[in-house]
Amino acid sequence: NAGVMQNPRHLVRRRGQEARLRCSPMKGHSHVYWYRQLPEEGLKFMVYLQKENIIDESGMPKERFSAEFPKEGPSILRIQQVVRGDSAAYFCASSPRQGEGNQPQHFGDGTRLSIL
Amino acid sequence: DQQVKQNSPSLSVQEGRISILNCDYTNSMFDYFLWYKKYPAEGPTFLISISSIKDKNEDGRFTVFLNKSAKHLSLHIVPSQPGDSAVYFCAAPYTGTASKLTFGTGTRLQVTL
Repeated sequence: NAGVMQNPRHLVRRRGQEARLRCSPMKGHSHVYWYRQLPEEGLKFMVYLQKENIIDESGMPKERFSAEFPKEGPSILRIQQVVRGDSAAYFCASSPRQGEGNQPQHFGDGTRLSIL
Repeated sequence: DQQVKQNSPSLSVQEGRISILNCDYTNSMFDYFLWYKKYPAEGPTFLISISSIKDKNEDGRFTVFLNKSAKHLSLHIVPSQPGDSAVYFCAAPYTGTASKLTFGTGTRLQVTL
């Protein structure tokens, strides 16, 4: 399966703990995007990364959230000191280059984060 | 600011009939639009897109129509099949960048036998 791989699929954390979500893009894709979906809502853009660079983090909360896409290994979305409002589905997408109509973003199956 | 809107949260259609899903947008600068389909517990799957310079794009049973003057697009599925039952999202890139998408809130399509 050469699709976008996200893990874990489900993650449960207590308030105050850290959550780490991982995303491996499709083979040959160097652009990674993270989106968050709250219940009954559409997906909201969070951050766009290329290898070793954050290109656009305009959708990221100012505190507690960070993202990286190292030279080797998956992209990581990190949430520190989680709160109940962080409970959501987090989706990663990738594209071979900057997304365009004929090069759509391909999504993973998401990580469902639940905060107790 | 919800730049892409799907005002119908749900739609029920009989198998074999046409399904029409609607989407309105407010930003006239969007260059293209995409439709994604999403099953429960899975990620969105790209379905079809349309450039803003076109008014129609067809791919098999799926056709997307764009009416720029009305800032409206629609996805037609014909004939509808039970496997089409899913949530459908329309999306468009934020102005000035093709890198991030803004999504509508989705329409849940139920195709009945």
